[in-house]
Amino acid sequence: SQELEQSPQSLIVQEGKNLTINCTSSKTLYGLYWYKQKYGEGLIFLMMLQKGGEEKSHEKITAKLDEKKQQSSLHITASQPSHAGIYLCGADGGSGNTGKLIFGQGTTLQVKP
Amino acid sequence: NAGVTQTPKFQVLKTGQSMTLQCAQDMNHNSMYWYRQDPGMGLRLIYYSASEGTTDKGEVPNGYNVSRLNKREFSLRLESAAPSQTSVYFCASSALAAYNEQFFGPGTRLTVL
Repeated sequence: SQELEQSPQSLIVQEGKNLTINCTSSKTLYGLYWYKQKYGEGLIFLMMLQKGGEEKSHEKITAKLDEKKQQSSLHITASQPSHAGIYLCGADGGSGNTGKLIFGQGTTLQVKP
Repeated sequence: NAGVTQTPKFQVLKTGQSMTLQCAQDMNHNSMYWYRQDPGMGLRLIYYSASEGTTDKGEVPNGYNVSRLNKREFSLRLESAAPSQTSVYFCASSALAAYNEQFFGPGTRLTVL
């Protein structure tokens, strides 16, 4: 079965610094989703990537899917306290068209003012 | 629009008791999902419903049953609660199963004593 491994598990950065979170899959990724979760709340969708080499940006967050479609990275530029939370990557556990998502264990981000 | 709503927000059960977690969405989505989130394990899919009238097992279905009551509502039932079912439960919905963002509810925090 497919597994997603996120690194690092936790991260503490100073406000204004850049950071990167990685998500590595044991199998080819068909649809890679990035979500953010604040403690005690539901997940907020950030971005979805499908094609090898694809890159998407929203405000100061950029997500990339490598050409082989087995690894994705999430990059935050000039971090702010509002970026703090848990970041989760998810992927379709089937062949891409099932909606049955599997998730990594999450990366907890703290941003120090 | 309320999006995805879940009731109750919190629940404490004794071992062996039963209960139903309710989920409703007002976005006219076809697909709905139930996940559980445990510390260090990310989210795991319990059951999903690709469309009204259909349900299927996810990664961890044992001890649970679901009902897709209509297009809006998808309930999760614990027939005989066990301490291992202590978790945070999230309901989600998407327009279609494939390559579609899933919208998450705020979660139900369940403790089984």
